[in-house]
Amino acid sequence: DGGITQSPKYLFRKEGQNVTLSCEQNLNHDAMYWYRQDPGQGLRLIYYSQIVNDFQKGDIAEGYSVSREKKESFPLTVTSAQKNPTAFYLCASSVAHAGGETQYFGPGTRLLVL
Amino acid sequence: AQTVTQSQPEMSVQEAETVTLSCTYDTSESDYYLFWYKQPPSRQMILVIRQEAYKQQNATENRFSVNFQKAAKSFSLKISDSQLGDAAMYFCAYRRGAQKLVFGQGTRLTINP
Repeated sequence: DGGITQSPKYLFRKEGQNVTLSCEQNLNHDAMYWYRQDPGQGLRLIYYSQIVNDFQKGDIAEGYSVSREKKESFPLTVTSAQKNPTAFYLCASSVAHAGGETQYFGPGTRLLVL
Repeated sequence: AQTVTQSQPEMSVQEAETVTLSCTYDTSESDYYLFWYKQPPSRQMILVIRQEAYKQQNATENRFSVNFQKAAKSFSLKISDSQLGDAAMYFCAYRRGAQKLVFGQGTRLTINP
């Protein structure tokens, strides 16, 4: 089955700890995205990547880092510099980074701070 | 900056009836795309319908249709014959070219049996 997988489903972070959220897609999509969703709000863009070995900051990139070493993988690291990381994180991909292309979403990861 | 506004935080409808969710957006561009996404309790975002701004014909997908009013910058979603499985958060989104996808705040839809 083609799709986007995210792991883990739930993640707990201790103070001062870096954690990494996994996102994998087998749709052969070039573009991948990370969004953050807070309660009662829409999605906000953290980072996106149009192609392997290239990525750009979104609206709320501070405290986060990404890599795109493989087409199918786009992991997100929440660093200790992110002071309020508790949120729901969604990964998405699309055929290309263009206006009309539909973004397909993974099931999400809920990050909680201990 | 483009903004997307969903003025109805919550809506409810009786099963089998029709409901319309509102969305307005702010842009000075003429060529762009609009989307409605559904987020059920599982929280996975699912595309419901999309509309190209250059097309005058309103998009339709089975029981879901839109009323796209370009001059008024309005993009409402109509759900006909509502079903219990339609209960979810619905997000309107705007995108132009290679810019980011801009989401509204969402409308929580409840279906009453």
